[in-house]
Amino acid sequence: GAVVSQHPSRVICKSGTSVKIECRSLDFQATTMFWYRQFPKQSLMLMATSNEGSKATYEQGVEKDKFLINHASLTLSTLTVTSAHPEDSSFYICSARERQEQYFGPGTRLTVT
Amino acid sequence: TQLLEQSPQFLSIQEGENLTVYCNSSSVFSSLQWYRQEPGEGPVLLVTVVTGGEVKKLKRLTFQFGDARKDSSLHITAAQTGDTGLYLCAGAKGRGADGLTFGKGTHLIIQP
Repeated sequence: GAVVSQHPSRVICKSGTSVKIECRSLDFQATTMFWYRQFPKQSLMLMATSNEGSKATYEQGVEKDKFLINHASLTLSTLTVTSAHPEDSSFYICSARERQEQYFGPGTRLTVT
Repeated sequence: TQLLEQSPQFLSIQEGENLTVYCNSSSVFSSLQWYRQEPGEGPVLLVTVVTGGEVKKLKRLTFQFGDARKDSSLHITAAQTGDTGLYLCAGAKGRGADGLTFGKGTHLIIQP
């Protein structure tokens, strides 16, 4: 099956710093990847759609200048949380589309202190 | 905003019993996917249903997509302790170019 990886799996950073999270499709090419956020005891919420070679599309309420997305190749999308604050602490999960299905990465636990 | 209502949110049953989880919406989806998520991990795809009225089986799991493509159900027969986990339904509006709308999930506990 399709495999998606994320790095790092866990990261702790200080308030005000920036953190980059990578999402890779390992055995297929993905022109479209998605970034989701999941708070404790809650379901996944779509943050943005990442398209290879073009600008990302952000969901309503998600700050594009705070959550920078780059999809520079068919197998890699990155999410950079800029000037992170404690309220940005969450579980960030990416997915990659193959045909009509989405395959998810293992997630990145971000803790901002 | 398209919403997916999942029920029940929590379910605890004995091993060997049967159960059904429901996923309902007032909106039509082009496809609906069921995932299982373990704590601290990403969701793992179980099945995708596309056609109204479609039924798919995965061992002891039976998935059904409503005729109007607004609802779906997951039925587990003879539940086992290994079935314990969070089950999520997610709907797609378009033909895959859009992100998924997730239900809140069903926390399933199978007791020995």
